Amino acid sequence: QKEVEQDPGPLSVPEGAIVSLNCTYSNSAFQYFMWYRQYSRKGPELLMYTYSSGNKEDGRFTAQVDKSSKYISLFIRDSQPSDSATYLCAMSEEYGNKLVFGAGTILRVKS
Amino acid sequence: GAGVSQSPRYKVAKRGQDVALRCDPISGHVSLFWYQQALGQGPEFLTYFQNEAQLDKSGLPSDRFFAERPEGSVSTLKIQRTQQEDSAVYLCASSLGEWESSYEQYFGPGTRLTVT
Repeated sequence: QKEVEQDPGPLSVPEGAIVSLNCTYSNSAFQYFMWYRQYSRKGPELLMYTYSSGNKEDGRFTAQVDKSSKYISLFIRDSQPSDSATYLCAMSEEYGNKLVFGAGTILRVKS
Repeated sequence: GAGVSQSPRYKVAKRGQDVALRCDPISGHVSLFWYQQALGQGPEFLTYFQNEAQLDKSGLPSDRFFAERPEGSVSTLKIQRTQQEDSAVYLCASSLGEWESSYEQYFGPGTRLTVT
């Protein structure tokens, strides 16, 4: 069993839809939670990070962390075709350095 | 400003050959990370440097893998006697500081290694 589980999709939605992406994890020592976006043949790009539990909003993106359930989510409002990419969740232990990634969810937004 | 750069972008090696992959981090970034990303998977941690010191190499899959960062800036990941299972994208990431700020890692485009 992997430390971080993420449904690989693909997830296909119409333009303008609200997208929900999720990860579960098993390591209770994780304190930092990140979402990265990766376009084909590019490196991952940091979208958002959250420390410990709670919500964080940035434009059309909202990240949620529920440490009691070991569950994190990323919501994308008013999705655009340009949002089509692979979304990776990543986590690290406090004062640790390495990131542990999920497998990534492929998102396709149809115009 | 310039981001993390990696070279070469693509590398084809015959099984048994040695390869060297280069990473130029963002100027002034103290921390540097190497990850391996297999097709359809998320990146997996290989090793971590803080300046020139290699603080964590727990993710290196075998003693055929070696990384260095002799002057605390450019880093090289070397793979000796490449095997087919080494085929993957090798990603380099850098971050500004130490410990609490290290979660903000900025990734390069990766080197796609194919071993034939």
